[in-house]
Amino acid sequence: DTGVSQNPRHKITKRGQNVTFRCDPISEHNRLYWYRQTLGQGPEFLTYFQNEAQLEKSRLLSDRFSAERPKGSFSTLEIQRTEQGDSAMYLCASNLAGVSDEQFFGPGTRLTVL
Amino acid sequence: SQQGEEDPQALSIQEGENATMNCSYKTSINNLQWYRQNSGRGLVHLILIRSNEREKHSGRLRVTLDTSKKSSSLLITASRAADTASYFCATNGYTGNQFYFGTGTSLTVIP
Repeated sequence: DTGVSQNPRHKITKRGQNVTFRCDPISEHNRLYWYRQTLGQGPEFLTYFQNEAQLEKSRLLSDRFSAERPKGSFSTLEIQRTEQGDSAMYLCASNLAGVSDEQFFGPGTRLTVL
Repeated sequence: SQQGEEDPQALSIQEGENATMNCSYKTSINNLQWYRQNSGRGLVHLILIRSNEREKHSGRLRVTLDTSKKSSSLLITASRAADTASYFCATNGYTGNQFYFGTGTSLTVIP
């Protein structure tokens, strides 16, 4: 257990529905990252926050994806109008910028879009 | 697209043997990290090597970095069945703010 938690662990939804995932990072970590990982591939960067500010977003992140970190603590990732291609593992990671680039990953949320 | 690529994609060895996996990347980096992932789980950080370092050790792990060739290798000595997992290298871009993971090496250690 790295200290980063994600909920839910599994989500099955029908195409067209909206889904929201939550990530609780290690409390003193100011940076929070979201990644997407498909079977047999490495994690792909989606976006990251420093405190409550969303500083970078991947070009891969369509406008159906939105992420927030309202108080600089937990973060949510919402996918609107889900598509079958959104099926993947969504990973969250956190670290303390300026101290170490080592990232602490949560267990992930596995999304299946039917 | 991902920054790095690991080689080989899959590796199967007997317990007690050494395992070597390689990572190549495309752009200048500040550091390179190796992570391990057990099936269906999150990633666990193994070791970080800075761009001005050439070799680093941690327990049974040895990492080398050749910035002129934009490549790194991870050596696991005296492998154990519990080392069975996927191994990924990750680099941060020049700004240091985004992390790019390779495609991974799937290691199987046969007891």
